[in-house]
Amino acid sequence: GAGVSQTPSNKVTEKGKYVELRCDPISGHTALYWYRQSLGQGPEFLIYFQGTGAADDSGLPNDRFFAVRPEGSVSTLKIQRTERGDSAVYLCASSLRPSGDTDTQYFGPGTRLTVL
Amino acid sequence: AQSVSQHNHHVILSEAASLELGCNYSYGGTVNLFWYVQYPGQHLQLLLKYFSGDPLVKGIKGFEAEFIKSKFSFNLRKPSVQWSDTAEYFCAVNARTGANNLFFGTGTRLTVIP
Repeated sequence: GAGVSQTPSNKVTEKGKYVELRCDPISGHTALYWYRQSLGQGPEFLIYFQGTGAADDSGLPNDRFFAVRPEGSVSTLKIQRTERGDSAVYLCASSLRPSGDTDTQYFGPGTRLTVL
Repeated sequence: AQSVSQHNHHVILSEAASLELGCNYSYGGTVNLFWYVQYPGQHLQLLLKYFSGDPLVKGIKGFEAEFIKSKFSFNLRKPSVQWSDTAEYFCAVNARTGANNLFFGTGTRLTVIP
């Protein structure tokens, strides 16, 4: 079956602009996660959705970052007033079952964001 | 807070050599443990995972890992590497409660020379 998909694969923007990154999880997966991976680092957690609600957004670095998942499937990560430090690969992952369980997250290919 | 340490940043091996990549974590509660691999130009893929039971887990492509609770370690091993194992390897951990989000190490880049 289809895996997690993310669009666009690459996004180049100018400092101060607004960007949206999209994630389409595996069909039927209720849990969705966003991570950010900077060069030379492992992925870092940003936000977790269970269904339509953001169950944990403790990893979002500041209020310029926001994510939605209005119908419990596709999610959009939104970054306002982008800064050069936001440049990274943004990864999305989904899993079948709710939190607090033994579960496996499946990752998408990521969106490479470059802020000039 | 949880953290994961991968002490080997870059490992270079010849084909047929044995591999062991170190992973240590810090967390006081019950955890799940994972190794993910990222081949050049590809996305993160699950290599193997430990939830409970036998602490020696076997994954795809001949990889295995051993959970040693007393050492907070989950080292990855392969008896004989191939050129196609060239990739970045990430150890990750999550807690059994809460958001279940993964905490990753910084990764180990493995280069296998034919």
